[in-house]
Amino acid sequence: KAGVTQTPRYLIKTRGQQVTLSCSPISGHRSVSWYQQTPGQGLQFLFEYFSETQRNKGNFPGRFSGRQFSNSRSEMNVSTLELGDSALYLCASSPYGTDGYTFGSGTRLTVV
Amino acid sequence: AQSVAQPEDQVNVAEGNPLTVKCTYSVSGNPYLFWYVQYPNRGLQFLLKYITGDNLVKGSYGFEAEFNKSQTSFHLKKPSALVSDSALYFCAVWGVRGSTLGRLYFGRGTQLTVWP
Repeated sequence: KAGVTQTPRYLIKTRGQQVTLSCSPISGHRSVSWYQQTPGQGLQFLFEYFSETQRNKGNFPGRFSGRQFSNSRSEMNVSTLELGDSALYLCASSPYGTDGYTFGSGTRLTVV
Repeated sequence: AQSVAQPEDQVNVAEGNPLTVKCTYSVSGNPYLFWYVQYPNRGLQFLLKYITGDNLVKGSYGFEAEFNKSQTSFHLKKPSALVSDSALYFCAVWGVRGSTLGRLYFGRGTQLTVWP
């Protein structure tokens, strides 16, 4: 079966712009989580959605937001981009969020 | 609070030798522990998990991990390393209650280099 698909793979944006990243989970998975990976901070949790509801949120500013659609696909949005938002953004899906996650290949965001 | 520590930033081992990547954890309640591997410019690949049961967990690509409750450790091991095992390895603990639910807490990662 198809894995977790993230689009786009690479993205270059200018400071101040906004960006939307997309994640298609494994079919049947209802939980989707997002993580930010940077060399300095490592892997940091952004948020987790289950059946269109945000169940948990990490310690990120309000510029970072997300949503989940009825087909479990998820998007995350970052507004007013800053240079420090440059990172690999990873999406992961799980059937119920209770037994481990399968990760996508990530979206590499570069803010210039 | 949930956290994991990977005390070694880098582990170097010769091909054919056994390898160990260390992980210790701190959790409230029973631990749900995971190991993931990351190759350059890729996402995380699942290796194995411990939820309950046998302390020795077998996973993908010949890796295994030993859960030790008294030492709060979950070290990753492989009897004979391959050059292709060279990658970044992450230990993680999973939140299963309250505000931690559905959230993975990752270590800083250990870069494994296997020399030919």
